Amino acid sequence: AQKVTQAQTEISVVEKEDVTLDCVYETRDTTYYLFWYKQPPSGELVFLIRRNSFDEQNEISGRYSWNFQKSTSSFNFTITASQVVDSAVYFCALSESYSGGYQKVTFGTGTKLQVIP
Amino acid sequence: DSGVTQTPKHLITATGQRVTLRCSPRSGDLSVYWYQQSLDQGLQFLIQYYNGEERAKGNILERFSAQQFPDLHSELNLSSLELGDSALYFCASSVGTGNSPLHFGNGTRLTVT
Repeated sequence: AQKVTQAQTEISVVEKEDVTLDCVYETRDTTYYLFWYKQPPSGELVFLIRRNSFDEQNEISGRYSWNFQKSTSSFNFTITASQVVDSAVYFCALSESYSGGYQKVTFGTGTKLQVIP
Repeated sequence: DSGVTQTPKHLITATGQRVTLRCSPRSGDLSVYWYQQSLDQGLQFLIQYYNGEERAKGNILERFSAQQFPDLHSELNLSSLELGDSALYFCASSVGTGNSPLHFGNGTRLTVT
């Protein structure tokens, strides 16, 4: 069965500090996809990144970086030099595809990040 | 802009009433998902449709029902509303394959008084 665990419920950091949000997943499949979403205080959910199970290269996008490690079933998200605008709830998600257009998506419970000025 | 349209944005109604939430998916997306997010809670998966057919059910109450129409828009019907049904209801759409990210609408905030 699919499972996504975000053990950190809330994190507070001071502006300009680096912060890592943890995501650990469970799946029996060899082909799957991992996502991160951001939900700012305004409420909308924004897609940030997708990673497939065969690509373990880390990815960097500006101040954001993602570390995918299959050996530990983790897909962690690091924000470098955090800013107040990074304050949001961040969700990690696992997606698997089944025949007939059935895509099963499991979300973690989210990590609330507060960046203090 | 995700391309997913949800209406209405806000809904205030009384206990015992029935409401309908509407979702128009992104152009080209065949799959629609409904999620419920109560205050300071995570995303609770309710139901998923693909090309008009129900594909998966989550923790959806019997008082709730949904459907996806031939033009692919979807409606979530909530009946016999209770105070605890007050929440943010999100619709998301995707192409439907495993590598497709979900694109979320801005949600409908339902308040039951």
